[in-house]
Amino acid sequence: SAVISQKPSRDICQRGTSLTIQCQVDSQVTMMFWYRQQPGQSLTLIATANQGSEATYESGFVIDKFPISRPNLTFSTLTVSNMSPEDSSIYLCSVLARIIQFFGPGTRLTVL
Amino acid sequence: GNSVTQMEGPVTLSEEAFLTINCTYTATGYPSLFWYVQYPGEGLQLLLKATKADDKGSNKGFEATYRKETTSFHLEKGSVQVSDSAVYFCALSEGSGGGADGLTFGKGTHLIIQP
Repeated sequence: SAVISQKPSRDICQRGTSLTIQCQVDSQVTMMFWYRQQPGQSLTLIATANQGSEATYESGFVIDKFPISRPNLTFSTLTVSNMSPEDSSIYLCSVLARIIQFFGPGTRLTVL
Repeated sequence: GNSVTQMEGPVTLSEEAFLTINCTYTATGYPSLFWYVQYPGEGLQLLLKATKADDKGSNKGFEATYRKETTSFHLEKGSVQVSDSAVYFCALSEGSGGGADGLTFGKGTHLIIQP
């Protein structure tokens, strides 16, 4: 398994601002993923972040809104830019270890 | 595109009852299938998986069989406990390589077990 931590665990932000979420894993992994879970909804994949390459975004998500960094094999960040109340969600990172995705605890974001 | 449909909750059962949570999927090719569980106050964790047709995943008394002919992966448990109260998510990943592709999730089923 993999132990994953996220920072911050929660935040309340004003519209128009940006928030960077950090994801740290306790072992080196090639593939990391970022998901969003809007209130009352399922988890939706935002992007796949592999070390050494640009992140691959799913339909409906763009790099200008959700820039991702992957500087090494144990760390990634997701920035939510120019936030609006519609961005209020739980953001989760996950890593692939032995064909299974393990998830972090999530970051609960509220945008006012 | 891919999609997962699972029964809406909440599902309320008495302790020791039989549990079935239905899950059906739409996918091209031969996806891998997963059940994840989220206990109160905890993160999402893998409960069981199946990577090819007719495979049965099992863990903690839960079972699910990959049925290609009915595109289903129903979760079952013979006798539930209060500690099974949680939100259960059915998910798929394209291809038989496990979770190497991004996961497509169902909406989740909130299970409540009463003593």
